[in-house]
Amino acid sequence: DGGITQSPKYLFRKEGQNVTLSCEQNLNHDAMYWYRQDPGQGLRLIYYSQIVNDFQKGDIAEGYSVSREKKESFPLTVTSAQKNPTAFYLCASSIASGRADEQFFGPGTRLTVL
Amino acid sequence: GDSVTQMEGPVTLSEEAFLTINCTYTATGYPSLFWYVQYPGEGLQLLLKATKADDKGSNKGFEATYRKETTSFHLEKGSVQVSDSAVYFCAFYAGGTSYGKLTFGQGTILTVHP
Repeated sequence: DGGITQSPKYLFRKEGQNVTLSCEQNLNHDAMYWYRQDPGQGLRLIYYSQIVNDFQKGDIAEGYSVSREKKESFPLTVTSAQKNPTAFYLCASSIASGRADEQFFGPGTRLTVL
Repeated sequence: GDSVTQMEGPVTLSEEAFLTINCTYTATGYPSLFWYVQYPGEGLQLLLKATKADDKGSNKGFEATYRKETTSFHLEKGSVQVSDSAVYFCAFYAGGTSYGKLTFGQGTILTVHP
């Protein structure tokens, strides 16, 4: 079955540590996205990638980094510079960016900073 | 700037009641409009969409009509079920240089009691 997988489902991190969230898709989609979800605030875009080896900052990129070395994979690193990293992180993909295509979402990773 | 305003929740209904969740948007041009649903502990799933004025999106008994004159996309269902309990997000894609970015509302929690 095609879809998006995110791992791990729950992640705990100590303050000052970097942590990488995994996102893999087998939908053959060109575009991939990372969103952050906080209670009562909806989803906010962190980074997006239109194609392999290319990515752009979204609305709240500070303290995060990404890479897109393969079409299937778009890992997100939450660095120690992110001041409030505890949140639910959602990865999504779509056939292409620049179109009103459906975005398919993964199940999410809940990150908690201890 | 671009934004989505959703009816504040939580919304609590009895089974078979009528549901309306209001959504209005502020965007330039002619955005495409979406409703996504998030079940507990999961990612988002597309519920329905409309891409031009007066279009009606529908799925699983839910409906929403793109009203350009009132910049609204209210979600309705004639008879809700317990299984409809979830968080509902209104979103739009503005096109142009948005590169696939979706702008989300804050979400509305719906709880349906037997």
